[in-house]
Amino acid sequence: GEDVEQSLFLSVREGDSSVINCTYTDSSSTYLYWYKQEPGAGLQLLTYIFSNMDMKQDQRLTVLLNKKDKHLSLRIADTQTGDSAIYFCAESDTGGFKTIFGAGTRLFVKA
Amino acid sequence: KAGVTQTPRYLIKTRGQQVTLSCSPISGHRSVSWYQQTPGQGLQFLFEYFSETQRNKGNFPGRFSGRQFSNSRSEMNVSTLELGDSALYLCASSMDRGPPTVQYFGPGTRLTVT
Repeated sequence: GEDVEQSLFLSVREGDSSVINCTYTDSSSTYLYWYKQEPGAGLQLLTYIFSNMDMKQDQRLTVLLNKKDKHLSLRIADTQTGDSAIYFCAESDTGGFKTIFGAGTRLFVKA
Repeated sequence: KAGVTQTPRYLIKTRGQQVTLSCSPISGHRSVSWYQQTPGQGLQFLFEYFSETQRNKGNFPGRFSGRQFSNSRSEMNVSTLELGDSALYLCASSMDRGPPTVQYFGPGTRLTVT
């Protein structure tokens, strides 16, 4: 079945780059997403990438996709304390009927 | 445009009781999905409704049910509550089922079962 895996924790210093990794199993996934959840809030979409792309950049965010290895990463440049949150990787199938989320990576940013 | 709203925000119930949670999607959005978030299991898909029809369902027991009204508002119901049902229940709406399926999440309802 479909599964999305992420490491649970990541700690970085303010100003450094953060790289959050994700692996997925469903080869039919067409879109892959990164969501951010801040304390007491719902999830907020950060960015998404179509499966025929290998990279997408949006300001401080860079998404890399290795479709052969089913590996997705999110790089946050110049990480700030406000970036401290839980980051979820997710995939959806061709019809977009169902979105499968990873368990989330908790990012700690040390000042 | 108002975001996704969920009511109530917090709820405390006793084992064996039932509960109904409500979700109002963003105006114009016809798809509503429900998720259960727990520290141990992460975010798990419950079900998705589109135009009043359940189009997809996750692997949850029949105690979990939902419905969608003609104005796209949705409710989910959990009967015979168990301690393990304590979780944050998130609702998400989207304009259509994509792809891509860009979902907008509400703040969630935190349910505590004692």
